[in-house]
Amino acid sequence: GAVVSQHPSRVICKSGTSVKIECRSLDFQATTMFWYRQFPKQSLMLMATSNEGSKATYEQGVEKDKFLINHASLTLSTLTVTSAHPEDSSFYICSATGGAEFQETQYFGPGTRLLVL
Amino acid sequence: AQSVTQPDIHITVSEGASLELRCNYSYGATPYLFWYVQSPGQGLQLLLKYFSGDTLVQGIKGFEAEFKRSQSSFNLRKPSVHWSDAAEYFCAVALTGGGNKLTFGTGTQLKVEL
Repeated sequence: GAVVSQHPSRVICKSGTSVKIECRSLDFQATTMFWYRQFPKQSLMLMATSNEGSKATYEQGVEKDKFLINHASLTLSTLTVTSAHPEDSSFYICSATGGAEFQETQYFGPGTRLLVL
Repeated sequence: AQSVTQPDIHITVSEGASLELRCNYSYGATPYLFWYVQSPGQGLQLLLKYFSGDTLVQGIKGFEAEFKRSQSSFNLRKPSVHWSDAAEYFCAVALTGGGNKLTFGTGTQLKVEL
């Protein structure tokens, strides 16, 4: 149980384009999903928290208009990097929590490597 | 604000040797405590967690961790390391539960010598 998937696993895009990353909870209903960013050889930085059906809560310093988060269903959250630039290149990881069994623990997806040229 | 310290950035052990990764937290109350492992280019896998009760918790892959309130520590241990254990290990704490915001340590990179 508690499997979280991400798609795509790797994406390369041109500067100025937008990229959408999907995060799905496969075997439980995720009432809350988290989006993290990880730079090489560093820890995870929380970007935002999203609850199903409501607006995401962004951490200080994270541009909400640049990193659009949608949590439209209990199994899917999406992160859209709008007008991507090379400095947005990073490893993006989502996590999910929810349901009676998985409420107290975050389960992580495998991550998405974004490279903006 | 709560914080998590992993004092060892890198650790190298020989295969078959014992392992202890240190984690200290700074918080007024006892937080929820977690250890995650990350293989290169992968997401994080939960090794074990402590919420309450027995202070020695068992996890997957033969790992265990001991919560010591007096030392504000939650060190991860394994009696005999396997080459496949080479990875990055993160200690994390949460205020009221893992479903709330996690604060991560900076991670410890484990290298296993054959």
